[in-house]
Amino acid sequence: AQKVTQAQTEISVVEKEDVTLDCVYETRDTTYYLFWYKQPPSGELVFLIRRNSFDEQNEISGRYSWNFQKSTSSFNFTITASQVVDSAVYFCALSEALTQGGSEKLVFGKGTKLTVNP
Amino acid sequence: NAGVTQTPKFQVLKTGQSMTLQCAQDMNHNSMYWYRQDPGMGLRLIYYSASEGTTDKGEVPNGYNVSRLNKREFSLRLESAAPSQTSVYFCASSEWVGTNNEQFFGPGTRLTVL
Repeated sequence: AQKVTQAQTEISVVEKEDVTLDCVYETRDTTYYLFWYKQPPSGELVFLIRRNSFDEQNEISGRYSWNFQKSTSSFNFTITASQVVDSAVYFCALSEALTQGGSEKLVFGKGTKLTVNP
Repeated sequence: NAGVTQTPKFQVLKTGQSMTLQCAQDMNHNSMYWYRQDPGMGLRLIYYSASEGTTDKGEVPNGYNVSRLNKREFSLRLESAAPSQTSVYFCASSEWVGTNNEQFFGPGTRLTVL
């Protein structure tokens, strides 16, 4: 069965610090997709990134960067120069195909609550 | 273009009452999903619908029923609510576009069962 582990339950940093959120996954599929979602205090889920298992290139988007390492089954997320607005719960997720070429189930980790203090 | 909408946003029920959570999407997606989020548990799939007219169980279907009314709408029904169903419910939809199949989530329904 597929599984996503986010070992860090809560992290607290001071503004402008860099912070890395860890994500380790388990799957028997050779093709899969990994995701990060942000859930701010308002409760909605905000899509951050989707990564194909065949693409191990690291990605940077502004202050956000993602490090995908297939060898260690990890997909870690780094926020550089954190800001108070980054305070949220962050979820890592792994896709599992439900139907051929159609529906996918997202298997979520339990989330990491990030608090950025001024 | 509203994306995925859910009603109601909040609901309080007494044990044994029934209710239906509504979800609609305007992106012409074939696949729709219902997840529940419990504290410290992440999201778990309750039911999904791969296309209009089909529905299938997810990870935690007990106590729920669903209806894919048409391509736009996918409702979740609690026939006899229990305190264990206190949760935040998210509806989502998705469609393959090339190699991309992002799931779009609604804003959620916060349900409390007393």
